[in-house]
Amino acid sequence: AQSVAQPEDQVNVAEGNPLTVKCTYSVSGNPYLFWYVQYPNRGLQFLLKYITGDNLVKGSYGFEAEFNKSQTSFHLKKPSALVSDSALYFCAVRTGISGNTPLVFGKGTRLSVIA
Amino acid sequence: EPEVTQTPSHQVTQMGQEVILRCVPISNHLYFYWYRQILGQKVEFLVSFYNNEISEKSEIFDDQFSVERPDGSNFTLKIRSTKLEDSAMYFCASSRDRGLTYSNQPQHFGDGTRLSIL
Repeated sequence: AQSVAQPEDQVNVAEGNPLTVKCTYSVSGNPYLFWYVQYPNRGLQFLLKYITGDNLVKGSYGFEAEFNKSQTSFHLKKPSALVSDSALYFCAVRTGISGNTPLVFGKGTRLSVIA
Repeated sequence: EPEVTQTPSHQVTQMGQEVILRCVPISNHLYFYWYRQILGQKVEFLVSFYNNEISEKSEIFDDQFSVERPDGSNFTLKIRSTKLEDSAMYFCASSRDRGLTYSNQPQHFGDGTRLSIL
């Protein structure tokens, strides 16, 4: 069965500093990896995905993520954090390429960017 | 940008009562999903729906749950006899995926319905 691990419950970073939110996965087939962000009282908002191709994928709001097959990781990164990036971040995986394959989420990492 | 909309934003219900959560997916999307998030826990898949039938469901989605697409726009989740442990945030999502052609299009989520069972 597929699973996602986000080892950090909380990440604190100063505004302007680079940020990394960690994610590792375990799947039996090819992984299709996603990052979502959740702001207070809102739903999950898609940030970026890795399907195939370049290991570094770029997404919304200046975020990027690096797929590392040997380490089974898909860490989310941003070169310069903003206070407005403070939110709950979820890594997710699906192994099926058809639309009915559900997303399996990690438990989430709360990012706090301090001014 | 089109959005998934969910109503109500908060539903309070007595234990044992039936509840219906409503969702309007993005209009050209073909796959529909329900997830839930118990307070402080991870987001969990409940069910996916395509072509007017359930595609996949988790073990959480037992006989107390049902889904329906009563018309061309709404997608509902019904809990027949609510239990205290059904208290959670319920998210609806939709995607354009249709087999291999649009594989792995992201799922777009609504803002959720907070269900509180008393």
